[in-house]
Amino acid sequence: GAVVSQHPSRVICKSGTSVKIECRSLDFQATTMFWYRQFPKQSLMLMATSNEGSKATYEQGVEKDKFLINHASLTLSTLTVTSAHPEDSSFYICSASKSGLLNTEAFFGQGTRLTVV
Amino acid sequence: SQQGEEDPQALSIQEGENATMNCSYKTSINNLQWYRQNSGRGLVHLILIRSNEREKHSGRLRVTLDTSKKSSSLLITASRAADTASYFCATAPGGATNKLIFGTGTLLAVQP
Repeated sequence: GAVVSQHPSRVICKSGTSVKIECRSLDFQATTMFWYRQFPKQSLMLMATSNEGSKATYEQGVEKDKFLINHASLTLSTLTVTSAHPEDSSFYICSASKSGLLNTEAFFGQGTRLTVV
Repeated sequence: SQQGEEDPQALSIQEGENATMNCSYKTSINNLQWYRQNSGRGLVHLILIRSNEREKHSGRLRVTLDTSKKSSSLLITASRAADTASYFCATAPGGATNKLIFGTGTLLAVQP
């Protein structure tokens, strides 16, 4: 199987602080990881594609200075929500693929529930 | 928006009945995938169907794909209470784009 671990599963932070979320592929190397945001009872919105060793590709409307993505190794990508505000409260999910999505599925982390107070 | 749409948005059935969910998308695709999400959790991959395939089975799941209509359906036969979850279709757009675009999802409730 292929396991993606996301940490933490829940985090509460004060407005104005930064929060880092980690996404690890435990038993495979992932050259590409993906970060999604999900509002209650809604679908997943792709935020950015994280490429190992290079800059992330952000979707239109996503602030790259707000959501910092670092993909330092083939098994780890991090999403940092900087200067968090209550409107950043959401469910963030990462995923990774073994060999690209043209022919294979994505494996998802268990998600991180961020609450900004 | 590139996002596809699914219908129904919500579906409630009795255990043992079949559940059918439909997905429509907007662009050409390399493949279409179905995922399941239990409340507050990550997604689990169910099945992948390539653009040159028309039907695929996996256990109690049957997926069809009609690229001329840009639509797909997921059929769950002999449903169980444990099938209660949200179901999403996701498309891998045509070309070299390496990403998944998710549909709006169907919330399935299977009553015991």
